[in-house]
Amino acid sequence: KNEVEQSPQNLTAQEGEFITINCSYSVGISALHWLQQHPGGGIVSLFMLSSGKKKHGRLIATINIQEKHSSLHITASHPRDSAVYICAKIQGAQKLVFGQGTRLTINP
Amino acid sequence: KAGVTQTPRYLIKTRGQQVTLSCSPISGHRSVSWYQQTPGQGLQFLFEYFSETQRNKGNFPGRFSGRQFSNSRSEMNVSTLELGDSALYLCASSTGTADDYTFGSGTRLTVV
Repeated sequence: KNEVEQSPQNLTAQEGEFITINCSYSVGISALHWLQQHPGGGIVSLFMLSSGKKKHGRLIATINIQEKHSSLHITASHPRDSAVYICAKIQGAQKLVFGQGTRLTINP
Repeated sequence: KAGVTQTPRYLIKTRGQQVTLSCSPISGHRSVSWYQQTPGQGLQFLFEYFSETQRNKGNFPGRFSGRQFSNSRSEMNVSTLELGDSALYLCASSTGTADDYTFGSGTRLTVV
């Protein structure tokens, strides 16, 4: 069993839909990253969360440390949101342990 | 403010050769981490350096090594390349706190 599990693995939606990607982890953590990777490889850190909720534009991330669960939400989804979204827990000295990623496709 | 710079962007090598990849962190960032991404295994941690010291190492064979210089620039080296080493190699830098973690664009290595 992976230390970090994401669901769903693939998600296809229509433009404008509300998107939720889930992440659960097996061992307690101090913080968790949500990352975005577009085709071509570059990775962008969207959020780093240690508690509660963060919002940036149409993106919202929440974390429940007690339940070992985090979610990434996208409101009013757009085709440019199509990417792979990866959650990663922070372990030890700057070591990330990654989920397998969620491939999101938003159709116009 | 310049981002994390990885060079080269693309590389093709032959089995048995060795390769050196470079990562220049954001100015002021003293921590540099390296990751390998393959379709089969996803993203995996290779190692992390802070102020020229390796603080953490992933489960990779000894053919994978790295170092960090006094200016925080880091290199990773892979010796005796195997076909399975074909991957996207990413580095990330930070000041040592998790909230300024920044990835480079990666080096895509193909071993033929």
